[in-house]
Amino acid sequence: GAGVSQSPSNKVTEKGKDVELRCDPISGHTALYWYRQSLGQGLEFLIYFQGNSAPDKSGLPSDRLSAGRTAGSVSTLTIQRTQQEDSAVYLCASSLGGTANEQYFGPGTRLTVT
Amino acid sequence: GQQVMQIPQYQHVQEGEDFTTYCNSSTTLSNIQWYKQRPGGHPVFLIQLVKSGEVKKQKRLTFQFGEAKKNSSLHITATQTTDVGTYFCAAPSSGGYSTLTFGKGTMLLVSP
Repeated sequence: GAGVSQSPSNKVTEKGKDVELRCDPISGHTALYWYRQSLGQGLEFLIYFQGNSAPDKSGLPSDRLSAGRTAGSVSTLTIQRTQQEDSAVYLCASSLGGTANEQYFGPGTRLTVT
Repeated sequence: GQQVMQIPQYQHVQEGEDFTTYCNSSTTLSNIQWYKQRPGGHPVFLIQLVKSGEVKKQKRLTFQFGEAKKNSSLHITATQTTDVGTYFCAAPSSGGYSTLTFGKGTMLLVSP
């Protein structure tokens, strides 16, 4: 079956604009995760969804970042008033839930704020 | 919160040499996972270790989980250029949620 998909694959935006990044998880995966990865760096956890609820938002670095999930499936990460520091690759992953289950990552969205 | 320390950060080897990356935690882990990220790619799950002292092999890759379940290693025998990438370990976060804490990764470069 299809893996995790993300769109767009690349996004260039001007500083101050809002952007929306989309993630389609693997069908049947109840858990969904957003990470941010700056060039040559590790994975920075942003937010975790179990179904439609987000029990762990501890990784969101500012109130300019928010995320939602509908019908336990598609998730959207929104960044308001983008700053240059937001430039990074945003990765989405899904899993069957539980820390004993591996996470499947999407190809990521590369965001560049000019 | 939960931290997993991974060393080295970076290693450059000649093709055919062996490579090892280590992952350490100050707390006992229920399990540990390993992922590989090729340059320009996304992390891909390699394996999960659950039992104390567990050793698993995948062709030239050998994964170990320490007896105390606080450390793990990934060893690659006779590296090939296809092994290039960043290897991450990941362990369940301590917050009680179904999240993983990833190590910072070890970047492996292999020269032909």
